[in-house]
Amino acid sequence: QVQLQESGPGLVKPSQTLSLTCTVSGGSISSGDYYWSWIRQPPGKGLEWIGYIYYSGSTYYNPSLKSRVTISVDTSKNQFSLKLSSVTAADTAVYYCARETTVTIDYWGQGTLVTVSS
Amino acid sequence: EIVMTQSPATLSVSPGERATLSCRASQSVSSNLAWYQQKPGQAPRLLIYGASTRATGIPARFSGSGSGTEFTLTISSLQSEDFAVYYCQQYNNWPWYTFGQGTKLEIK
Repeated sequence: QVQLQESGPGLVKPSQTLSLTCTVSGGSISSGDYYWSWIRQPPGKGLEWIGYIYYSGSTYYNPSLKSRVTISVDTSKNQFSLKLSSVTAADTAVYYCARETTVTIDYWGQGTLVTVSS
Repeated sequence: EIVMTQSPATLSVSPGERATLSCRASQSVSSNLAWYQQKPGQAPRLLIYGASTRATGIPARFSGSGSGTEFTLTISSLQSEDFAVYYCQQYNNWPWYTFGQGTKLEIK
């Protein structure tokens, strides 16, 4: 059973960079069958897909966030990470890491709330 | 961007009754649509993909239908554990997934 766990600061100051890491257990990021993604959900609102990374390092980002997003992978640690720069209060959300295919998002982390505030 | 619109925003149904949730796409997504269930404080859970295929372990009371731009999730004989928020998601434009804004299914 694949499990994903987000980690990182729960509070980030405006204009700074949000950084989160997702640790995958029960399966290898390097398997090649899946894509590893980040999704966020502002409090009380819907879901927004941020982007994915493949084990090889190839990425695809939501065009609306592309200029601020970087997703990276560390296959030796079975982890992938998210960086979102120049954050504002609008970036306050629960951030989920997930495993996706070209069809579905089949495993999710429990989510971590990141608040942007001074 | 393919915009997904769900209706109604909130649906009140009594336990044991049927619930019908709708999702509309701004352009055709063929049958490339999934449904997720989210309970408070939890991550979403995949229910349906391919518009009508139940994911592993999903009870038969959950069914999906539709194609193109109009889709429906039906829950027959609602159980207490079914009251949650439901999201549709298109993957026709993979890798750029987009979600609907959600329908909250509440107890009447």
